[in-house]
Amino acid sequence: DVKVTQSSRYLVKRTGEKVFLECVQDMDHENMFWYRQDPGLGLRLIYFSYDVKMKEKGDIPEGYSVSREKKERFSLILESASTNQTSMYLCATGTGDWHEQYFGPGTRLTVT
Amino acid sequence: DQQVKQNSPSLSVQEGRISILNCDYTNSMFDYFLWYKKYPAEGPTFLISISSIKDKNEDGRFTVFLNKSAKHLSLHIVPSQPGDSAVYFCASWGYQKVTFGTGTKLQVIP
Repeated sequence: DVKVTQSSRYLVKRTGEKVFLECVQDMDHENMFWYRQDPGLGLRLIYFSYDVKMKEKGDIPEGYSVSREKKERFSLILESASTNQTSMYLCATGTGDWHEQYFGPGTRLTVT
Repeated sequence: DQQVKQNSPSLSVQEGRISILNCDYTNSMFDYFLWYKKYPAEGPTFLISISSIKDKNEDGRFTVFLNKSAKHLSLHIVPSQPGDSAVYFCASWGYQKVTFGTGTKLQVIP
C-alpha cells in the first residue's frame, strides 16, 4: 500500500510566521502535489513536482513556495502566513499517468 | 472559473437504495474523469475512473457513466451502504493536471 504521511495533523500559527508543511511518501512515485481544501471550493492545486528539484505552479501558487530535494519528500512553505491561508492542506503522490493520486491525511492549518 | 461542477452539496439516501452523484464539466478536451471519496479527517481515496473514449465503467457496486455530448458524468452506488457516507469529489484530468469539483456529501441512512 502507498503510504503518504504529513508532518502534522493540526497546526496553529500566527500571522507573519514562516510555516513548513512536509510530506513524505514511501512508494517511489515521481509526482507529488500540494492541494488546499476549502468549503465550497473543493480541492485546489497549489504546486506540483514531477521530479527532484523540479516544481510547477498549480492554480493558486500565490503566497506559497515548495521544495523537493529528495524524491520521497515534498515541502510546502508559507513564507509569511496570513489568515486567508487557514485551510486543510493535502499532499498527494502519483505515478506517471497522474490518473490516480494517493493522498495523505491532511494538515489543518489555522493562522491567527 | 469552475471547470468541474458538482451542483448538489449534499445527498441523503436510504440504505439499500441507489445513490446517484452528478458532475458537470466545461472542457471537452479532458482525457479522464475520476471519482474520489473522502472521510472526515482522512485524505481522499481514489474510487473509480473513466476514459473519455468510454461511456461506462463498473467496479462492484460503483458505476460511472459519461455523457460527452452533455458534458456530464455520474456515479451510481448500488446498493448504498452506511459505510458509503462520505464526501465524493469528481475530478477531470487533462492539460497535465487534475481539476477537482467542489464535492457532494453523501449520507446513507440505515
